[in-house]
Amino acid sequence: DAKTTQPNSMESNEEEPVHLPCNHSTISGTDYIHWYRQLPSQGPEYVIHGLTSNVNNRMASLAIAEDRKSSTLILHRATLRDAAVYYCILLNYGGSQGNLIFGKGTKLSVKP
Amino acid sequence: EPEVTQTPSHQVTQMGQEVILRCVPISNHLYFYWYRQILGQKVEFLVSFYNNEISEKSEIFDDQFSVERPDGSNFTLKIRSTKLEDSAMYFCASILTRGINQPQHFGDGTRLSIL
Repeated sequence: DAKTTQPNSMESNEEEPVHLPCNHSTISGTDYIHWYRQLPSQGPEYVIHGLTSNVNNRMASLAIAEDRKSSTLILHRATLRDAAVYYCILLNYGGSQGNLIFGKGTKLSVKP
Repeated sequence: EPEVTQTPSHQVTQMGQEVILRCVPISNHLYFYWYRQILGQKVEFLVSFYNNEISEKSEIFDDQFSVERPDGSNFTLKIRSTKLEDSAMYFCASILTRGINQPQHFGDGTRLSIL
């Protein structure tokens, strides 16, 4: 699976937008970009995924660069509950059984 | 919303003993996974399971590990002879199908402590 690079940590203020970047310069044409997060003392939780177009759901938005070599997870209004480690993962269903390869992710801190 | 449940939440076991970690995946899901996370480290894939057999396993999943779906609801991970380095959080996950729109649903894990 292709590698992703994320900042180790980021800080945000409550109720402000947060942009979490992810670089994946070796992404292949069939790799999907998935985001998961892990709240303290919990299992990972799916956030969003996309292939080429920007995606929105109730949790977040995913902005994908035109060349697909990077993407940004956008939390529109951070809450204290959004403090977690966010993982950007590339998944190619053709090449694996769908198992997730986690990196170190970005630890997001949210200040009140 | 349906959840993946794992029991026990914390398991303490003497080194060399066998341990079984239990998971109840979401009822209509077909693919099942085990991951582990050593304290302060990354979440690591152990094994995937489909149609009553292992689909894929990592290098970590050696002969000491086994998985089973003994009935229609439970999915278990057995460690035959535990070692100190097996101390970790173990997460079970399930997925409806391998389709692109199917996220993995994780349980909250079992903390395994080997003494």
